Amino acid sequence: DSGVTQTPKHLITATGQRVTLRCSPRSGDLSVYWYQQSLDQGLQFLIQYYNGEERAKGNILERFSAQQFPDLHSELNLSSLELGDSALYFCASSVLAGDGNEQFFGPGTRLTVL
Amino acid sequence: GIQVEQSPPDLILQEGANSTLRCNFSDSVNNLQWFHQNPWGQLINLFYIPSGTKQNGRLSATTVATERYSLLYISSSQTTDSGVYFCAVETWNRDDKIIFGKGTRLHILP
Repeated sequence: DSGVTQTPKHLITATGQRVTLRCSPRSGDLSVYWYQQSLDQGLQFLIQYYNGEERAKGNILERFSAQQFPDLHSELNLSSLELGDSALYFCASSVLAGDGNEQFFGPGTRLTVL
Repeated sequence: GIQVEQSPPDLILQEGANSTLRCNFSDSVNNLQWFHQNPWGQLINLFYIPSGTKQNGRLSATTVATERYSLLYISSSQTTDSGVYFCAVETWNRDDKIIFGKGTRLHILP
């Protein structure tokens, strides 16, 4: 158990809908990262927050957004869902924002868009 | 951006065998991690190893940053070692942030 929690574990929804994925980092970690794992694209970095502020952006679509709240939990919002958004979404956390620190991953949320 | 290549892509071994997995990267990195994704999808940290050598039980890893590669050694393989092994690097380039290789799929036969 990494100490990072994600809810829900599974989510099934329809095209065009909007969903919210939630992540609670390990106690003491200030940074939260979101990743998408799909069969064709592999594991891709989406976005990072540090202590409530966006720190880095990766391959995140404009239909997706995220935020980190004062209690440090984070939410990833996916809207206007398409079939291709079906994937495993991971959250990770680390202590620092700076380069070079170890990330610990949550169990993931499996999203299926029908 | 930086390229991360893992080899071999697939590996099938008998229980008890040893294996070496390789991760090559095309630019300087300030962080490198090895992960094991088990058959249930969980990503498990194995090593945080931007340079040097570390050992943890039957597993060890070596990163030679100047030559831009890292090796993961698994000795006396067990069926529970099956899964996909990923190498992930973090760069100084903020646009890259963290990049995962495509992984090595390891299948240990009983």
